[in-house]
Amino acid sequence: DGGITQSPKYLFRKEGQNVTLSCEQNLNHDAMYWYRQDPGQGLRLIYYSQIVNDFQKGDIAEGYSVSREKKESFPLTVTSAQKNPTAFYLCASTRTEGPNTEAFFGQGTRLTVV
Amino acid sequence: AQSVTQPDIHITVSEGASLELRCNYSYGATPYLFWYVQSPGQGLQLLLKYFSGDTLVQGIKGFEAEFKRSQSSFNLRKPSVHWSDAAEYFCAVGANDYKLSFGAGTTVTVRA
Repeated sequence: DGGITQSPKYLFRKEGQNVTLSCEQNLNHDAMYWYRQDPGQGLRLIYYSQIVNDFQKGDIAEGYSVSREKKESFPLTVTSAQKNPTAFYLCASTRTEGPNTEAFFGQGTRLTVV
Repeated sequence: AQSVTQPDIHITVSEGASLELRCNYSYGATPYLFWYVQSPGQGLQLLLKYFSGDTLVQGIKGFEAEFKRSQSSFNLRKPSVHWSDAAEYFCAVGANDYKLSFGAGTTVTVRA
């Protein structure tokens, strides 16, 4: 079945460490997204990519980095510069036939800084 | 830049009663509007979407939403709520550059 796979489901990081969250899709979608979810703040866009080897900053990109070397993959690195990285992270993808296309979401990664 | 406001943080409704969740958007061009539902610790599932045509849109699980351009609103409704509808609901607006922006969400609690 087609879908989006995020791994790991739970991730613990020590302060000062970088950590990479994986997102893979087999839907043949061109666009991929990373969101951060905190209680009461909804989903805030970190980065998005419309095509391979290109990506744009979202609303809260500081302290994060991404790459898009393959269509299927859009990993997110949470760097030590991110002041408060503990959150639930969601990856999504869409077709690019028009902005009215549905976004498909992964099951999320819960990152905790210890 | 587009934005979405969901004025209600939390709504409690009795099982069998009607439900309406409010959504107001801000976008300079024709909006592409969505409602998603999220169960605890899970990803989001699309309930319905609007981009043109009939302003009353039917979705899955018995939900519907009405687009009102004059009020910049896209409110979600369900005539009779089931206990399984307890979840968090998000309104979203899409732009021509494929940037998708979400509201803060409304948590729905269903009481027996």
